[in-house]
Amino acid sequence: KNQVEQSPQSLIILEGKNCTLQCNYTVSPFSNLRWYKQDTGRGPVSLTIMTFSENTKSNGRYTATLDADTKQSSLHITASQLSDSASYICVVRGQAGTALIFGKGTTLSVSS
Amino acid sequence: GAGVSQSPSNKVTEKGKDVELRCDPISGHTALYWYRQRLGQGLEFLIYFQGNSAPDKSGLPSDRFSAERTGESVSTLTIQRTQQEDSAVYLCASSLMSGNTEAFFGQGTRLTVV
Repeated sequence: KNQVEQSPQSLIILEGKNCTLQCNYTVSPFSNLRWYKQDTGRGPVSLTIMTFSENTKSNGRYTATLDADTKQSSLHITASQLSDSASYICVVRGQAGTALIFGKGTTLSVSS
Repeated sequence: GAGVSQSPSNKVTEKGKDVELRCDPISGHTALYWYRQRLGQGLEFLIYFQGNSAPDKSGLPSDRFSAERTGESVSTLTIQRTQQEDSAVYLCASSLMSGNTEAFFGQGTRLTVV
């Protein structure tokens, strides 16, 4: 069964520290993987997309990595800020015409 | 419209009443998803539409929950005889069926059953 597992479920870090969120998937065949950020009270918004041929991609202080062989992705946040407090959701697309598979998300809390 | 629209944004209902939640997806988006998010918890898949058909409704928690989609557009999620454990934010997302397109989410409907 196609699944997307995220870890940890929740994470608390101090402002200025770095952190890494994990996403493992069993979706096959694989088309792409997106990381979404969901601020409190809002719908998720796309941060970055990783396709099969991409290993790493940065968006400001966010860096996503993808290992398509081991079916793992990570989202690294550098020099965290209070505004990074949110849920981060990993979403995988398999072959064309199939449903997106959503992870349950990691809730990140950045404290001062 | 420009984005996914959900209504109402907030709904307070008495236990045992029926509620209808509405989702207007982005025009042309064939795929539509309903999710539930309880306080402090992650996304919980409910149902997925491809066009007007629901090939995956495995996430509906009980027969009190049903959903339909018409005209490959608007979808309604109906909860009958609401229970307090139904209290959650119900999120709708839509996307194209293929390519590197992203899923666009609505702002959600916050349902409170009292």
